[in-house]
Amino acid sequence: AQTVTQSQPEMSVQEAETVTLSCTYDTSESDYYLFWYKQPPSRQMILVIRQEAYKQQNATENRFSVNFQKAAKSFSLKISDSQLGDAAMYFCAYRRGSWNYGGSQGNLIFGKGTKLSVKP
Amino acid sequence: DGGITQSPKYLFRKEGQNVTLSCEQNLNHDAMYWYRQDPGQGLRLIYYSQIVNDFQKGDIAEGYSVSREKKESFPLTVTSAQKNPTAFYLCASSKQGPQPQHFGDGTRLSIL
Repeated sequence: AQTVTQSQPEMSVQEAETVTLSCTYDTSESDYYLFWYKQPPSRQMILVIRQEAYKQQNATENRFSVNFQKAAKSFSLKISDSQLGDAAMYFCAYRRGSWNYGGSQGNLIFGKGTKLSVKP
Repeated sequence: DGGITQSPKYLFRKEGQNVTLSCEQNLNHDAMYWYRQDPGQGLRLIYYSQIVNDFQKGDIAEGYSVSREKKESFPLTVTSAQKNPTAFYLCASSKQGPQPQHFGDGTRLSIL
């Protein structure tokens, strides 16, 4: 079974600085997707960034980028120029790549999350 | 704008009572999901449905039931058999294939 581990329960960063959140996962599959979701105090889950395992290039979305190390099964999130609005819980999630009716391929497996605080 | 609507935002359950959480989406997504979130925990999958009139159990289905009579709707019933129902419940949906899931705003369920 696949597992996702976030080893940092809490992190803190100074406003305008850069922070990296860690995520490792365990799978025997070669085709999969990885996601980072943000959950602010409002509790809404917001997709931050996604990475396809078959792509070697690291995904980037504005101030958010990932360091995807497939061999090491590592998927860290880097937040540059941190802003107060970045304060939230961040969840790493894994999803199998194939899709067939009746299977569990579309299901997300979540880590336990990292609480990010941003200091002004 | 398209999205996922969960209601109510807050819900209270009495002992021995069944309660139903609503989830409606107008994104034309085929797949829908229910997750439970406890403090300090990630999301755990309760039930999922990839197509109308079909659904499968997730990792923690005991004490819960669902139906999928319409593509837009995937209600979750928390039955009296669920002895620890206090949690935050999130509904999600996605298109077929390798598409990300979109989430509703959640329902917080508490015991009276």
